[in-house]
Amino acid sequence: DAGVIQSPRHEVTEMGQEVTLRCKPISGHDYLFWYRQTMMRGLELLIYFNNNVPIDDSGMPEDRFSAKMPNASFSTLKIQPSEPRDSAVYFCASTGPGQGNYGYTFGSGTRLTVV
Amino acid sequence: AQSVTQLDSQVPVFEEAPVELRCNYSSSVSVYLFWYVQYPNQGLQLLLKYLSGSTLVKGINGFEAEFNKSQTSFHLRKPSVHISDTAEYFCAVSETGGGNKLTFGTGTQLKVEL
Repeated sequence: DAGVIQSPRHEVTEMGQEVTLRCKPISGHDYLFWYRQTMMRGLELLIYFNNNVPIDDSGMPEDRFSAKMPNASFSTLKIQPSEPRDSAVYFCASTGPGQGNYGYTFGSGTRLTVV
Repeated sequence: AQSVTQLDSQVPVFEEAPVELRCNYSSSVSVYLFWYVQYPNQGLQLLLKYLSGSTLVKGINGFEAEFNKSQTSFHLRKPSVHISDTAEYFCAVSETGGGNKLTFGTGTQLKVEL
């Protein structure tokens, strides 16, 4: 298995632009998580899905952030409009099937820089 | 709600010396516990996990951790570290029946020196 695949690896954008981050989970995993990592706040859970349905989005910082999972093999995290304080590394992780607590498999992350 | 405390933000150690990275958790219900490692510019990788059974858990790269319920701790140990162990280490907890949702600690940077 190729693992959790995230794209792009690096993204540099100007303030106000729309940014879309992409994630392909491991086949057969039915849980998908989006995390943000910064020096100041560490790892923050933004949102997670189970069977493509958002379960908890309480970590999404504000309405500028949205996430979708149209099918079991693809998810997006969108920021519109982007701001410099959104600069961070965004990780996608997946696990499953079911509530077995197998531990997460993380992608390599997308390093976002908003200038 | 569960929480995780990693008291040491940085731990310097000489190569071939033993190391212990501390982790304490808080939860009102039974928990599962995990340690992850993050190498520079990479995602997190699962080192080991405690779900049930033996309180001493062995993981990859020679690491092990011991679950201590009375002290609500899950410290990570390695008897002899290598330069390649230099990385950030995260402790994480999830509540049984909690939908696989993990809460991570703030991380401990392990720096192995010659």
